Amino acid sequence: NAGVTQTPKFQVLKTGQSMTLQCAQDMNHNSMYWYRQDPGMGLRLIYYSASEGTTDKGEVPNGYNVSRLNKREFSLRLESAAPSQTSVYFCASSEDFRSPSYGYTFGSGTRLTVV
Amino acid sequence: QKEVEQNSGPLSVPEGAIASLNCTYSDRGSQSFFWYRQYSGKSPELIMFIYSNGDKEDGRFTAQLNKASQYVSLLIRDSQPSDSATYLCAVKGSSASKIIFGSGTRLSIRP
Repeated sequence: NAGVTQTPKFQVLKTGQSMTLQCAQDMNHNSMYWYRQDPGMGLRLIYYSASEGTTDKGEVPNGYNVSRLNKREFSLRLESAAPSQTSVYFCASSEDFRSPSYGYTFGSGTRLTVV
Repeated sequence: QKEVEQNSGPLSVPEGAIASLNCTYSDRGSQSFFWYRQYSGKSPELIMFIYSNGDKEDGRFTAQLNKASQYVSLLIRDSQPSDSATYLCAVKGSSASKIIFGSGTRLSIRP
């Protein structure tokens, strides 16, 4: 009963380094999302995948890329990390965005620091 | 104007009292409304959703929706210290495929 699994849980990067955040869900959900959370800013959507094979930009996509590898997995890549990308990153999934009652299940988060 | 607005708090409520959390949204076509609870250092957890005008009750929690006023609220009855957390209001807008979150209200229940 894992739900949404994110790896790694913590990461420190140097400016300019790259890394990929991994996310996998075992609930057979169609839609997956990447958010970042900064103090006082709430959750801001980076990218989302409404269904397997599709991805779309959210509110703050600059500096990030995503891959929906299959129905279970949705990864987020930072090509050249910047201090402004220091944040807590949450992956989430939902059953079907067309249902009015759908809500998200969140992973436990990745705490990323860029120095 | 932010799409989903909440008072950041902190809101301090005595144990056993009713905590009232409020949220306004800008998209008149919004379809569904959610309340998430987030403990410090943890991920958000869905506690209520509502999509029809009126009240929806679940245990000690009541969600209230007024689409004409573009207003949604969460009432927590018989507040407990374990209710101390940040509460995020979230709205599924007319674009349908994603949810927009407010910045959250920090609630503190004092014994």
